[in-house]
Amino acid sequence: KQEVTQIPAALSVPEGENLVLNCSFTDSAIYNLQWFRQDPGKGLTSLLLIQSSQREQTSGRLNASLDKSSGRSTLYIAASQPGDSATYLCAVYGQNFVFGPGTRLSVLP
Amino acid sequence: KAGVTQTPRYLIKTRGQQVTLSCSPISGHRSVSWYQQTPGQGLQFLFEYFSETQRNKGNFPGRFSGRQFSNSRSEMNVSTLELGDSALYLCASSPNPGEGTQYFGPGTRLLVL
Repeated sequence: KQEVTQIPAALSVPEGENLVLNCSFTDSAIYNLQWFRQDPGKGLTSLLLIQSSQREQTSGRLNASLDKSSGRSTLYIAASQPGDSATYLCAVYGQNFVFGPGTRLSVLP
Repeated sequence: KAGVTQTPRYLIKTRGQQVTLSCSPISGHRSVSWYQQTPGQGLQFLFEYFSETQRNKGNFPGRFSGRQFSNSRSEMNVSTLELGDSALYLCASSPNPGEGTQYFGPGTRLLVL
């Protein structure tokens, strides 16, 4: 059974810092991994999708990497802004999507 | 291109009642998945539909059911509601199962009294 964990559970940083969010999964037989952000009381917004054959994806200030063999992915956020404050979730797709518990990020002005 | 839409957005029911939630995927997307999100359990997979067939089902009781129509729209039904069914129900669509970005709707917030 696939299990996904995320570290840290919460993070508070001053504006402008670069930060790394971590995601680990137990079963490497995945088709893809996706990072999402969720604002309070809202649905999920897709940030990056990494196919199982890829090592990383970039979008603007975001960079996500995938190491299937070790069951790990990282989301790198450069030059953080208060608008980045949200919960960040990673999800892996094997038989279906399995989500991690999320990292709650606060970027202080 | 319109995003994933879910109706209704908010719903209040009492224990023992049943409820039906609706999801319209992005045009051209044939895979629809449903999730339940609660503060204690996080996001949990309910089921996935593709070509009007249920592909996978999560670990939920039989009171939770769903279906998909020929136009890929999907409904989920919860019968005999319990207090613990109070949650945000999210629907997501993708072109095909496991293929491409999964896009989420805004969710239906269900409160069971």
